[in-house]
Amino acid sequence: DSGVTQTPKHLITATGQRVTLRCSPRSGDLSVYWYQQSLDQGLQFLIQYYNGEERAKGNILERFSAQQFPDLHSELNLSSLELGDSALYFCASSEGTGPVGYTFGSGTRLTVV
Amino acid sequence: AQKVTQAQTEISVVEKEDVTLDCVYETRDTTYYLFWYKQPPSGELVFLIRRNSFDEQNEISGRYSWNFQKSTSSFNFTITASQVVDSAVYFCALKRDRDDKIIFGKGTRLHILP
Repeated sequence: DSGVTQTPKHLITATGQRVTLRCSPRSGDLSVYWYQQSLDQGLQFLIQYYNGEERAKGNILERFSAQQFPDLHSELNLSSLELGDSALYFCASSEGTGPVGYTFGSGTRLTVV
Repeated sequence: AQKVTQAQTEISVVEKEDVTLDCVYETRDTTYYLFWYKQPPSGELVFLIRRNSFDEQNEISGRYSWNFQKSTSSFNFTITASQVVDSAVYFCALKRDRDDKIIFGKGTRLHILP
């Protein structure tokens, strides 16, 4: 157990729908990162939150949004889902800045049908 | 721009052979960090090693070793006497000191054949 909890582990939904992925960071970590792993694109950085504030944004679609709550858990909302959004979505956490790596959760596998 | 290139998409070796996974990175920063992560078939991402740009010492951990060469912008990973359990996708990654986010290469899928 890495200490980063992601729910649900699997999600199957239809095109056009909206889903919410949840992440609880490791205790003490203030930063949460979301990554998308698809077969052809590898691990793509989506967005980072630090202590409730958005810190960095990557290749996140406008249909996607995220937030980090006061208890530091984070949610990634994906709307108007398309077949191409099927992927493994990872959450990671870290203490913050500096030479720290991430601790990853086990991922949420999203399948859009 | 920052970039990590893992030219080997897929490698297959027979168990007990040594195998090296290549990683080439690009950055203009002088302070940065390099990482290797392992993704076994179960899907989770497991941290293996971190190296900072000022430490070019090679590192050995059991059957794993890493060779960092700034002159060639490479951070290669060698598995000695490979085992079937080493079968996984391995990601090399780069983080600038002024950023929090880590940029990943596309990964190398390693098959260790019994």
